[in-house]
Amino acid sequence: RKEVEQDPGPFNVPEGATVAFNCTYSNSASQSFFWYRQDCRKEPKLLMSVYSSGNEDGRFTAQLNRASQYISLLIRDSKLSDSATYLCVVKDAIISNFGNEKLTFGTGTRLTIIP
Amino acid sequence: SQTIHQWPATLVQPVGSPLSLECTVEGTSNPNLYWYRQAAGRGLQLLFYSVGIGQISSEVPQNLSASRPQDRQFILSSKKLLLSDSGFYLCALNRVLYEQYFGPGTRLTVT
Repeated sequence: RKEVEQDPGPFNVPEGATVAFNCTYSNSASQSFFWYRQDCRKEPKLLMSVYSSGNEDGRFTAQLNRASQYISLLIRDSKLSDSATYLCVVKDAIISNFGNEKLTFGTGTRLTIIP
Repeated sequence: SQTIHQWPATLVQPVGSPLSLECTVEGTSNPNLYWYRQAAGRGLQLLFYSVGIGQISSEVPQNLSASRPQDRQFILSSKKLLLSDSGFYLCALNRVLYEQYFGPGTRLTVT
């Protein structure tokens, strides 16, 4: 089983619709969770952290389900500018061989908003 | 604010040729710096991590190496490129509220 798993998509969604992605993780001891956004041929940028109680930032809502080991991202009233790949990122409490806390990136879910 | 510069932006190199990618950082001192690779259809893979000048950690055995000759300079190198080295190379640092803050990246195609 992959450490962090995402549906690669693509999700083709009409403008104004609501879309949701899930991401599952394998390590039950994982401690922190994030969603990054990556535009085509650009670097990933942090979209939002995911808190245990769930959190909202404008049209974006992130939720964490520790029992089922998944995080979700909900985008409401989608805009053309939301078209991108969304990366799920999990931080483990274990120290990697690098001496830092291990971050694992999913392969991303591609979203295209259709006019 | 902290800024990451990467050079070059794109590169096409033949198999067996050497490689040197540069990452420079502004607006901070003594940053923790990272090199990642993103290959087509795969998640970001951490290649190297540096906490300071001359201090490099590597997890994955490969034909790549990294050096940190100055506090704000991080270099990724190879003596002989393989086809499998193709990918998008990203330099990153830790930044307040950002788990990883990435530079603009270098897209490498090995032919």
